[in-house]
Amino acid sequence: NAGVTQTPKFQVLKTGQSMTLQCAQDMNHEYMSWYRQDPGMGLRLIHYSVGAGITDQGEVPNGYNVSRSTTEDFPLRLLSAAPSQTSVYFCASSERPIAYGYTFGSGTRLTVV
Amino acid sequence: GENVEQHPSTLSVQEGDSAVIKCTYSDSASNYFPWYKQELGKRPQLIIDIRSNVGEKKDQRIAVTLNKTAKHFSLHITETQPEDSAVYFCAASTYGANNLFFGTGTRLTVIP
Repeated sequence: NAGVTQTPKFQVLKTGQSMTLQCAQDMNHEYMSWYRQDPGMGLRLIHYSVGAGITDQGEVPNGYNVSRSTTEDFPLRLLSAAPSQTSVYFCASSERPIAYGYTFGSGTRLTVV
Repeated sequence: GENVEQHPSTLSVQEGDSAVIKCTYSDSASNYFPWYKQELGKRPQLIIDIRSNVGEKKDQRIAVTLNKTAKHFSLHITETQPEDSAVYFCAASTYGANNLFFGTGTRLTVIP
């Protein structure tokens, strides 16, 4: 039981490049989400999903896309990276289809230059 | 949406002393208040949470208190140890919602 696995751990992108941050969980959790963590701002919700085929926007969705084709995977796509997207990204899951009792992944530190 | 404020931003205590971190929230409908601990370079981990039907909850050296009238809640750590050193985040939500609103974090340093 690996919990929530995120890849990569570190990434440097050039402005305008695209990439996908991967998140997978093996706990059969219904709820999955992506947060970004910026200094002095806590964690902010980007997108979330309450089940396969169901996604919705959070507080800061602009510049990001998600999909949920399986219960296990919830990738986050940066369409055209900008320096403002430099951040640490965390994936979180919950056994209930709500924001409750999160299990976080280990994070991806992204730098956009 | 909900707005959660957290104080202090940094806190240093001597080993064995108590530490208190306070959070306020704006949405009177919020009724779920978790606390997360994040050690340096690690993922946030849930350490304790409280629902608004109780005013206090304890788990060994950790306790959380809630004052719904004043819209604030606090984390209390007693007999602090060096391994308590971390960043602590409070959060607030309406139970059943799809987002947690996090505070900005408190960096706790326990001095041996």
